[in-house]
Amino acid sequence: AQSVTQPDIHITVSEGASLELRCNYSYGATPYLFWYVQSPGQGLQLLLKYFSGDTLVQGIKGFEAEFKRSQSSFNLRKPSVHWSDAAEYFCAVGGSSNTGKLIFGQGTTLQVKP
Amino acid sequence: ETGVTQTPRHLVMGMTNKKSLKCEQHLGHNAMYWYKQSAKKPLELMFVYSLEERVENNSVPSRFSPECPNSSHLFLHLHTLQPEDSALYLCASSQLTSGINEQFFGPGTRLTVL
Repeated sequence: AQSVTQPDIHITVSEGASLELRCNYSYGATPYLFWYVQSPGQGLQLLLKYFSGDTLVQGIKGFEAEFKRSQSSFNLRKPSVHWSDAAEYFCAVGGSSNTGKLIFGQGTTLQVKP
Repeated sequence: ETGVTQTPRHLVMGMTNKKSLKCEQHLGHNAMYWYKQSAKKPLELMFVYSLEERVENNSVPSRFSPECPNSSHLFLHLHTLQPEDSALYLCASSQLTSGINEQFFGPGTRLTVL
């Protein structure tokens, strides 16, 4: 079955600390992987994506993610968190299809302590 | 206007009302999506339109009726809703060229059913 698991529902980090949000996926074909961020009351904004090539991808707002095929993971990282990073983060997986359907994880809520 | 817009941003309706949600994408995409986002639940894909044809309907109750008159506009017609339909309804669009899907989201409509 195709699925995305984000094991951490809530994470709290101090401002300036490093961050890693976990994402594990199950997908039968070549996966295309995405991280989205959602601020309260807003839609989802794409942070970064992986289709092929270099397994370490850079995104907006200083985020990066690493694709590890052997571990079926696509973890999101940031070296130094800012208070404005507090939001909900969603990992998603898709593939080549005629609908472009994405499967989303349940999301991880990030709280940033001053 | 740029990106994906949704109107209204907030909607309160009674169970006997009929209302419509509107989504417009200004990105030249050929696929559009409706999602439902409830508290504490993953994003639920409701409908997918590709080239103005509905290609996916994920067992959505008939009280939700989508309409895609052209590639830029998507509507969700609502009637006889239930309180459990209260949620954030998100619209997204993508360009299905090679089948690689990168979805762009609107800000959502916060629906409250009394």
